[in-house]
Amino acid sequence: QVQLQESGPGPVKPSQTLSLTCAVSGYSISRGGYSWSWVRQHPGKGLEWIGYVYNTGTTYYNPSLKSRIAISVDTSKNQFSLKLSSVTAADTAVYFCARVYNDCFDYWGQGTLVTVSS
Amino acid sequence: DIQMTQSPSSLSASVGDRVTVACRASQSIAGYLHWYQQKPGKAPKRLIYSASTLESGVPSRFSGSGFGTDFTLTITSLQPEDVAIYFCQQGYSRPLSFGGGTKVEI
Repeated sequence: QVQLQESGPGPVKPSQTLSLTCAVSGYSISRGGYSWSWVRQHPGKGLEWIGYVYNTGTTYYNPSLKSRIAISVDTSKNQFSLKLSSVTAADTAVYFCARVYNDCFDYWGQGTLVTVSS
Repeated sequence: DIQMTQSPSSLSASVGDRVTVACRASQSIAGYLHWYQQKPGKAPKRLIYSASTLESGVPSRFSGSGFGTDFTLTITSLQPEDVAIYFCQQGYSRPLSFGGGTKVEI
């Protein structure tokens, strides 16, 4: 059974960089065949695709966030990561990691709330 | 970018009712439309992919249809455990995008 688990340092101050990691179990990222994605959900709102990474390191980002995001993969640890720079209160959201096949999300992490506050 | 519009934004129905949720794309997305169910405090769960293929383990009362720009999620007999928010998502082109969600209540 594929499982994904987000982790992060907790609250982030404005202008700092948000960093999250998604640990994957039940499937080896290095096998390929899927991309590994981040999606966020503002409180009480809909879902926003942030971007994804392949096992090769190839990335695709949402243009709305592209200037501030970096997604990377570490196949040796079977995990992938998100960095979002210059955060503001508008970046407060629940961040989900997910596995993607043919641009469809089949497995999701439980999500982690990131609050941006001074 | 492709915009996804869902209607209604919320609905209330009785147990056993037939419920229909609509999703419209701003341009043709062929059959690259997927549906997710999100219960409070939980991650979304895939229900239907490629417009009409039911995810394994999902009850057969759920079904999807449509092609091009107009799609429908149908619950043939609403059950208490179906209370959730339902999202559509297009996988036709990047950036991937979701509808605003439909909250289904009893």
